[in-house]
Amino acid sequence: QKEVEQNSGPLSVPEGAIASLNCTYSDRGSQSFFWYRQYSGKSPELIMFIYSNGDKEDGRFTAQLNKASQYVSLLIRDSQPSDSATYLCAVNPISGSARQLTFGSGTQLTVLP
Amino acid sequence: KAGVTQTPRYLIKTRGQQVTLSCSPISGHRSVSWYQQTPGQGLQFLFEYFSETQRNKGNFPGRFSGRQFSNSRSEMNVSTLELGDSALYLCASSLVGHGNTEAFFGQGTRLTVV
Repeated sequence: QKEVEQNSGPLSVPEGAIASLNCTYSDRGSQSFFWYRQYSGKSPELIMFIYSNGDKEDGRFTAQLNKASQYVSLLIRDSQPSDSATYLCAVNPISGSARQLTFGSGTQLTVLP
Repeated sequence: KAGVTQTPRYLIKTRGQQVTLSCSPISGHRSVSWYQQTPGQGLQFLFEYFSETQRNKGNFPGRFSGRQFSNSRSEMNVSTLELGDSALYLCASSLVGHGNTEAFFGQGTRLTVV
């Protein structure tokens, strides 16, 4: 069993819709959670991090964390074609650290104009 | 402010050879982590260096090694290359300290082993 699992894609949503990306993790000791976006042929770039239960909003993006269920999600509101990319969920056992990340396999998102 | 710089961007090597990749972190960042990305296995953590010492290591064979210099620049080395080592190798730099939660990735080195 992979340590970090993401919902299998590809995921397609129409422009303006909400895209929902999900991630579960197996290590209950995980403390820091990250969402990265990776465009084809590019390196990952950080969208958001979260390490407290609940919701964290940043513009069109909302990260949700439920440590009891070992679940973290990313919602993208008003999806744009420029959001089309692979979204990677990553976890770290240390609070407030991004130094040793375990990544999921990614979910490919396509936003249709 | 310059980002994370990885060199070279592309490499083609023959099976059995060795290769050295370089990563210059963002100025002031003292932690450098290395990752391997392949279509089959995704992004996997190789190792992390901080203050010239390896702090964490992923589940990779001993053919994969690294080091960090006093200016925080890091190199990773892969000896006795195998076809399966073909991958995108990414390094990420971070500040170290409470609340510093962002890891910045370089553009990567694309290694092809033939």
